[in-house]
Amino acid sequence: DTGVSQDPRHKITKRGQNVTFRCDPISEHNRLYWYRQTLGQGPEFLTYFQNEAQLEKSRLLSDRFSAERPKGSFSTLEIQRTEQGDSAMYLCASSFSASSSNEQFFGPGTRLTVL
Amino acid sequence: LAKTTQPISMDSYEGQEVNITCSHNNIATNDYITWYQQFPSQGPRFIIQGYKTKVTNEVASLFIPADRKSSTLSLPRVSLSDTAVYYCLVGDLRAGNNRKLIWGLGTSLAVNP
Repeated sequence: DTGVSQDPRHKITKRGQNVTFRCDPISEHNRLYWYRQTLGQGPEFLTYFQNEAQLEKSRLLSDRFSAERPKGSFSTLEIQRTEQGDSAMYLCASSFSASSSNEQFFGPGTRLTVL
Repeated sequence: LAKTTQPISMDSYEGQEVNITCSHNNIATNDYITWYQQFPSQGPRFIIQGYKTKVTNEVASLFIPADRKSSTLSLPRVSLSDTAVYYCLVGDLRAGNNRKLIWGLGTSLAVNP
């Protein structure tokens, strides 16, 4: 399967713990995005990388959230001191900057539950 | 910010054509209109994108009037597997900058047998 993969698919944690999610984009894609989606809502943009550079961050991304893409390939999203309000589906997407439409390919998501 | 308005839900039957209209009155000159489909517990999937007039691909058509203040996604002969949430997005996605894009609630389409 050459699509976007995310790990883990599900994560249950206790409030105050740190969690880290991984995203592996489609190999030739140089753009990578993180979104958060709660039940019944559309995805909310969190951050965007072009290669290894983090070019955009949403104001939703508080200082407890950090994302990296160290070699311009996979990316990690870390949430420190989790809160119950962080419970959501975290989606990763990738795209190729040379694409005329910048079609984004989404992974299956990581569902986070904070108890 | 280009805000979009679309119906919260729609119902249809297998074999019918479904048209979902999205309003975007403050669309900017450089904005494109893009539609995504999302099934439960999956990430969204790109359906179609257009700037003006009509765009057609193997799964849908997109109709955009001259003033570009609205657009209509047309799904021909829907099947049960088309039951999903459909999102209309307006922005210059080509630039990669998604910070200003608002996904909204989408339209939940239910296709009945």
